[in-house]
Amino acid sequence: GEDVEQSLFLSVREGDSSVINCTYTDSSSTYLYWYKQEPGAGLQLLTYIFSNMDMKQDQRLTVLLNKKDKHLSLRIADTQTGDSAIYFCAEKSKDSSYKLIFGSGTRLLVRP
Amino acid sequence: SAVISQKPSRDICQRGTSLTIQCQVDSQVTMMFWYRQQPGQSLTLIATANQGSEATYESGFVIDKFPISRPNLTFSTLTVSNMSPEDSSIYLCSVEEQGGPDTQYFGPGTRLTVL
Repeated sequence: GEDVEQSLFLSVREGDSSVINCTYTDSSSTYLYWYKQEPGAGLQLLTYIFSNMDMKQDQRLTVLLNKKDKHLSLRIADTQTGDSAIYFCAEKSKDSSYKLIFGSGTRLLVRP
Repeated sequence: SAVISQKPSRDICQRGTSLTIQCQVDSQVTMMFWYRQQPGQSLTLIATANQGSEATYESGFVIDKFPISRPNLTFSTLTVSNMSPEDSSIYLCSVEEQGGPDTQYFGPGTRLTVL
């Protein structure tokens, strides 16, 4: 079945790098996504990666995809207090409904 | 990317009443989705709303409880009917832009509290 798992909590010091991990089970997923949710706000699309890619870099964000292990990670360089939020990974369902399957979310706390 | 607005942004409702949530997009989109995010939880898809056809509901969600309208390519509504405290959640609409990477963009959400 389809299931996406994430660790629940991560705490880092301002200026350090953050790495948020995600595992998924659907090997036929075409796209994988990272969303950010700040307190009281909706979801902001941060980045995505196509399944035939291993890595994607976008400014401070680096996404790594290991298809063999079905493992996705998001690295945030030079983490700032404004990066404190919940981060969701999501995969696109292989069926025709186009729905996204979301992980449970990782709460990132950046300490000054 | 599409700009999505939702009304109301939040509401407090009494048990047994109904609330209709509106979702407006600034461009024409084929695919719109409604998600629920229960307190402290992840997002769960309620239904897919495509213009010109009936909404497609996910397992555990039924039309009588969550009727959806999709009158045109820029607008949709979700009604939460006969509410109970268990319906207290954030309800989010999203749209998928096509013609490039398949990406979904989300509205700001409607925070519903049922007393």
